[in-house]
Amino acid sequence: KAGVTQTPRYLIKTRGQQVTLSCSPISGHRSVSWYQQTPGQGLQFLFEYFSETQRNKGNFPGRFSGRQFSNSRSEMNVSTLELGDSALYLCASSSPAIGEQYFGPGTRLTVT
Amino acid sequence: AQTVTQSQPEMSVQEAETVTLSCTYDTSENNYYLFWYKQPPSRQMILVIRQEAYKQQNATENRFSVNFQKAAKSFSLKISDSQLGDTAMYFCAFRRVEYGNKLVFGAGTILRVKS
Repeated sequence: KAGVTQTPRYLIKTRGQQVTLSCSPISGHRSVSWYQQTPGQGLQFLFEYFSETQRNKGNFPGRFSGRQFSNSRSEMNVSTLELGDSALYLCASSSPAIGEQYFGPGTRLTVT
Repeated sequence: AQTVTQSQPEMSVQEAETVTLSCTYDTSENNYYLFWYKQPPSRQMILVIRQEAYKQQNATENRFSVNFQKAAKSFSLKISDSQLGDTAMYFCAFRRVEYGNKLVFGAGTILRVKS
């Protein structure tokens, strides 16, 4: 089985712009979760989508949003980028039958 | 809210020796999962081992084993016969069973295996 894939792998954006990141889960997995990883704050949960519905949400401003499509692929969007949004964004997929999540390679976002 | 604490920012071990990474957590839940993830320099998060809270038996995966003390809310990872490829950041993570897939991570421990 193919693993979790994320595109793009690297992005450089300017303050004030918006960005969309994509995540394709492992085949058969219907849950996709997003995490932000920074040196200062560590790994923080952004949100989770399951069957096209947001099931959980972390403590991030409304500039961070996401969605999930019928094929379970997910996108996250960050609007009005700030320097502090520079981070590694990880997505993870899971199926109801298992307890663990499997992570993609991440998207490295740099905001200048 | 759940919290996960890893009190060792960095550790080092000689190749072939054994090392133990510490993790404590705080929760009022009774039903949950605990995980150890490894993040090598490539930044790919890799699941090392998982433990269900209702299981008294400690989980084992080849050279990796855990010491799960539910009453003490402690979940340490023991790596036996350490290998150079074990060099990575190790994260302890907590997940409630009945609350979707939200993982709460500790700050991580950098493990360096020396030859």
